Amino acid sequence: QTVVTQEPSFSVSPGGTVTLTCGLSSGPVSASYYPSWYQQTPGQAPRTLIYSTNIRSSGVPDRFSGSILGNRAALTITGAQADDESDYYCLLFVGGGIWVFGGGTKLTVL
Amino acid sequence: VHLVESGGNLVQPGGSLRLSCAASGLTFGTSWMGWVRRAPGRGLEWLANINEDGSVQNYVDSVKGRFTISRDNAKNSLFLQMNTLRVEDTAVYYCAVGQQLGYWGQGTLVTVSS
Repeated sequence: QTVVTQEPSFSVSPGGTVTLTCGLSSGPVSASYYPSWYQQTPGQAPRTLIYSTNIRSSGVPDRFSGSILGNRAALTITGAQADDESDYYCLLFVGGGIWVFGGGTKLTVL
Repeated sequence: VHLVESGGNLVQPGGSLRLSCAASGLTFGTSWMGWVRRAPGRGLEWLANINEDGSVQNYVDSVKGRFTISRDNAKNSLFLQMNTLRVEDTAVYYCAVGQQLGYWGQGTLVTVSS
Protein backbone atom coordinates (compact mmCIF):
# COMPACT_ATOMS: atom_id res chain seq x y z
CA GLN A 1 0.00 0.00 0.00
CA THR A 2 1.39 3.34 -1.08
CA VAL A 3 1.61 5.95 1.65
CA VAL A 4 2.08 9.65 0.94
CA THR A 5 3.68 11.47 3.85
CA GLN A 6 3.48 15.09 4.96
CA GLU A 7 4.55 16.92 8.07
CA PRO A 8 1.54 16.83 10.45
CA SER A 9 2.03 20.45 11.46
CA PHE A 10 4.17 23.48 10.78
CA SER A 11 4.40 26.99 12.10
CA VAL A 12 5.51 30.19 10.38
CA SER A 13 5.74 33.80 11.45
CA PRO A 14 3.79 36.46 9.54
CA GLY A 15 5.94 37.57 6.61
CA GLY A 16 8.11 34.50 6.86
CA THR A 17 8.80 31.66 4.46
CA VAL A 18 7.83 28.03 4.97
CA THR A 19 8.35 24.92 2.88
CA LEU A 20 5.99 21.99 3.26
CA THR A 21 7.03 18.66 1.79
CA CYS A 22 5.42 15.52 0.42
CA GLY A 23 7.09 12.12 0.30
CA LEU A 24 6.35 8.60 -0.86
CA SER A 25 6.80 5.42 1.16
CA SER A 26 8.02 3.52 -1.91
CA GLY A 27 10.78 5.89 -2.96
CA PRO A 28 11.63 9.37 -4.22
CA VAL A 29 9.02 11.72 -5.62
CA SER A 30 9.66 13.08 -9.09
CA ALA A 31 7.72 15.12 -11.62
CA SER A 32 6.35 11.88 -13.05
CA TYR A 33 4.13 11.64 -9.97
CA TYR A 34 2.48 14.93 -11.00
CA PRO A 35 2.49 16.39 -7.49
CA SER A 36 -0.26 18.88 -6.78
CA TRP A 37 -1.13 20.94 -3.71
CA TYR A 38 -4.42 21.99 -2.14
CA GLN A 39 -5.42 24.37 0.63
CA GLN A 40 -8.45 23.74 2.81
CA THR A 41 -9.76 25.90 5.62
CA PRO A 42 -12.43 24.60 8.02
CA GLY A 43 -15.89 24.48 6.49
CA GLN A 44 -14.63 25.33 3.01
CA ALA A 45 -14.04 23.31 -0.12
CA PRO A 46 -10.44 22.59 -1.04
CA ARG A 47 -8.69 25.10 -3.28
CA THR A 48 -6.14 23.99 -5.86
CA LEU A 49 -2.84 25.84 -5.51
CA ILE A 50 -0.31 23.96 -7.64
CA TYR A 51 -0.46 21.14 -10.17
CA SER A 52 2.12 19.19 -12.17
CA THR A 53 4.83 20.04 -9.65
CA ASN A 54 5.05 23.80 -10.16
CA ILE A 55 2.16 25.21 -12.20
CA ARG A 56 0.08 27.69 -10.23
CA SER A 57 -3.66 27.36 -10.56
CA SER A 58 -5.60 30.37 -11.84
CA GLY A 59 -5.76 33.20 -9.32
CA VAL A 60 -3.15 31.77 -6.95
CA PRO A 61 -0.64 34.43 -5.90
CA ASP A 62 3.00 33.90 -6.84
CA ARG A 63 4.07 33.67 -3.22
CA PHE A 64 2.93 30.04 -3.51
CA SER A 65 5.38 27.90 -5.48
CA GLY A 66 5.94 24.22 -6.06
CA SER A 67 9.11 22.25 -6.69
CA ILE A 68 10.96 18.99 -6.15
CA LEU A 69 13.45 19.23 -3.27
CA GLY A 70 15.65 16.21 -2.95
CA ASN A 71 13.36 13.20 -2.89
CA ARG A 72 10.18 15.07 -2.02
CA ALA A 73 7.68 17.43 -3.61
CA ALA A 74 7.60 20.81 -1.93
CA LEU A 75 5.23 23.74 -1.49
CA THR A 76 6.88 27.01 -0.50
CA ILE A 77 4.92 29.95 0.85
CA THR A 78 6.80 33.24 0.99
CA GLY A 79 5.56 36.29 2.85
CA ALA A 80 3.13 34.22 4.92
CA GLN A 81 -0.13 35.94 5.79
CA ALA A 82 -2.66 35.25 8.51
CA ASP A 83 -5.17 33.83 6.06
CA ASP A 84 -2.63 31.24 4.93
CA GLU A 85 -3.41 29.41 8.16
CA SER A 86 -5.03 26.27 6.74
CA ASP A 87 -4.59 22.58 6.08
CA TYR A 88 -2.42 21.79 3.07
CA TYR A 89 -2.59 18.52 1.15
CA CYS A 90 -0.43 17.07 -1.58
CA LEU A 91 -1.70 14.61 -4.16
CA LEU A 92 0.45 12.15 -6.11
CA PHE A 93 -0.24 9.92 -9.09
CA VAL A 94 0.93 6.46 -8.01
CA GLY A 95 0.15 4.59 -11.21
CA GLY A 96 -2.63 2.33 -12.44
CA GLY A 97 -4.91 5.35 -12.68
CA ILE A 98 -4.76 5.85 -8.90
CA TRP A 99 -4.02 9.06 -7.02
CA VAL A 100 -3.25 9.33 -3.29
CA PHE A 101 -3.44 12.30 -0.93
CA GLY A 102 -0.97 12.87 1.82
CA GLY A 103 -2.26 13.12 5.36
CA GLY A 104 -2.12 16.90 5.29
CA THR A 105 -0.12 19.58 7.09
CA LYS A 106 -1.80 21.97 9.50
CA LEU A 107 -0.08 25.34 9.05
CA THR A 108 -0.21 27.87 11.83
CA VAL A 109 0.75 31.49 11.24
CA LEU A 110 1.84 33.16 14.46
CA VAL B 1 -16.40 26.67 -13.58
CA HIS B 2 -19.22 25.82 -11.20
CA LEU B 3 -19.81 22.42 -9.62
CA VAL B 4 -22.79 21.63 -7.40
CA GLU B 5 -23.03 18.34 -5.55
CA SER B 6 -26.30 16.94 -4.29
CA GLY B 7 -27.75 13.72 -2.91
CA GLY B 8 -26.07 13.60 0.47
CA ASN B 9 -28.25 12.31 3.27
CA LEU B 10 -28.49 10.22 6.42
CA VAL B 11 -28.50 6.51 5.56
CA GLN B 12 -28.30 3.34 7.60
CA PRO B 13 -25.30 0.99 7.40
CA GLY B 14 -25.71 -1.33 4.45
CA GLY B 15 -27.80 1.20 2.58
CA SER B 16 -27.26 2.96 -0.73
CA LEU B 17 -27.06 6.53 -1.92
CA ARG B 18 -26.48 8.22 -5.26
CA LEU B 19 -24.59 11.50 -5.38
CA SER B 20 -24.82 13.89 -8.30
CA CYS B 21 -22.58 16.71 -9.46
CA ALA B 22 -23.93 19.30 -11.87
CA ALA B 23 -21.21 21.07 -13.84
CA SER B 24 -21.25 24.36 -15.74
CA GLY B 25 -18.73 26.79 -17.18
CA LEU B 26 -16.56 24.11 -18.75
CA THR B 27 -16.58 21.74 -21.69
CA PHE B 28 -17.73 18.85 -19.55
CA GLY B 29 -17.42 16.16 -22.20
CA THR B 30 -13.68 16.80 -22.61
CA SER B 31 -12.80 16.71 -18.89
CA TRP B 32 -11.81 13.93 -16.58
CA MET B 33 -13.87 14.12 -13.39
CA GLY B 34 -13.34 12.77 -9.90
CA TRP B 35 -14.73 12.31 -6.39
CA VAL B 36 -12.90 13.06 -3.16
CA ARG B 37 -14.13 12.88 0.43
CA ARG B 38 -13.16 14.21 3.82
CA ALA B 39 -14.33 12.26 6.84
CA PRO B 40 -14.67 13.97 10.24
CA GLY B 41 -11.27 14.39 11.86
CA ARG B 42 -9.46 13.00 8.85
CA GLY B 43 -7.79 14.30 5.71
CA LEU B 44 -8.79 14.31 2.09
CA GLU B 45 -9.21 10.93 0.43
CA TRP B 46 -9.16 10.45 -3.33
CA LEU B 47 -11.95 8.02 -4.25
CA ALA B 48 -12.41 7.64 -7.97
CA ASN B 49 -12.14 9.27 -11.35
CA ILE B 50 -13.59 8.78 -14.81
CA ASN B 51 -12.32 9.74 -18.23
CA GLU B 52 -13.97 11.99 -20.76
CA ASP B 53 -16.31 9.47 -22.37
CA GLY B 54 -16.82 7.29 -19.31
CA SER B 55 -14.94 4.30 -20.68
CA VAL B 56 -12.26 4.34 -17.95
CA GLN B 57 -12.94 4.39 -14.22
CA ASN B 58 -10.40 4.14 -11.42
CA TYR B 59 -11.11 3.52 -7.72
CA VAL B 60 -9.29 3.51 -4.41
CA ASP B 61 -9.29 0.03 -2.86
CA SER B 62 -11.52 1.06 0.06
CA VAL B 63 -14.51 1.69 -2.23
CA LYS B 64 -13.81 -0.67 -5.12
CA GLY B 65 -16.77 -2.97 -5.67
CA ARG B 66 -19.09 -0.80 -3.56
CA PHE B 67 -18.98 2.58 -5.33
CA THR B 68 -19.51 3.26 -9.03
CA ILE B 69 -18.60 6.50 -10.78
CA SER B 70 -20.45 7.43 -13.94
CA ARG B 71 -21.31 10.45 -16.03
CA ASP B 72 -23.91 11.82 -18.43
CA ASN B 73 -22.19 14.20 -20.82
CA ALA B 74 -25.50 15.26 -22.39
CA LYS B 75 -26.57 16.58 -18.96
CA ASN B 76 -23.13 17.81 -17.80
CA SER B 77 -23.49 15.56 -14.78
CA LEU B 78 -21.28 13.28 -12.74
CA PHE B 79 -22.56 10.58 -10.39
CA LEU B 80 -21.35 8.39 -7.57
CA GLN B 81 -23.48 5.35 -6.75
CA MET B 82 -22.60 4.19 -3.25
CA ASN B 83 -23.76 0.75 -2.10
CA THR B 84 -23.20 -1.27 1.06
CA LEU B 85 -22.42 1.90 2.97
CA ARG B 86 -20.42 1.70 6.20
CA VAL B 87 -20.19 4.02 9.18
CA GLU B 88 -16.67 4.93 8.04
CA ASP B 89 -18.08 6.28 4.74
CA THR B 90 -19.47 9.23 6.68
CA ALA B 91 -17.87 12.29 5.09
CA VAL B 92 -18.31 15.36 2.96
CA TYR B 93 -18.07 14.27 -0.67
CA TYR B 94 -16.63 16.61 -3.30
CA CYS B 95 -16.62 16.38 -7.05
CA ALA B 96 -13.70 17.92 -8.92
CA VAL B 97 -12.56 18.58 -12.48
CA GLY B 98 -9.56 16.94 -14.07
CA GLN B 99 -7.16 14.24 -12.98
CA GLN B 100 -5.38 16.82 -10.85
CA LEU B 101 -8.62 18.20 -9.42
CA GLY B 102 -8.40 21.75 -10.70
CA TYR B 103 -11.88 22.92 -9.65
CA TRP B 104 -14.02 21.75 -6.76
CA GLY B 105 -17.63 21.82 -5.70
CA GLN B 106 -18.73 22.80 -2.20
CA GLY B 107 -19.46 19.23 -1.18
CA THR B 108 -22.41 17.21 0.05
CA LEU B 109 -22.62 15.51 3.45
CA VAL B 110 -23.19 11.79 3.71
CA THR B 111 -23.88 10.39 7.16
CA VAL B 112 -24.01 6.64 7.66
CA SER B 113 -25.52 5.81 11.01
CA SER B 114 -28.16 3.62 12.59
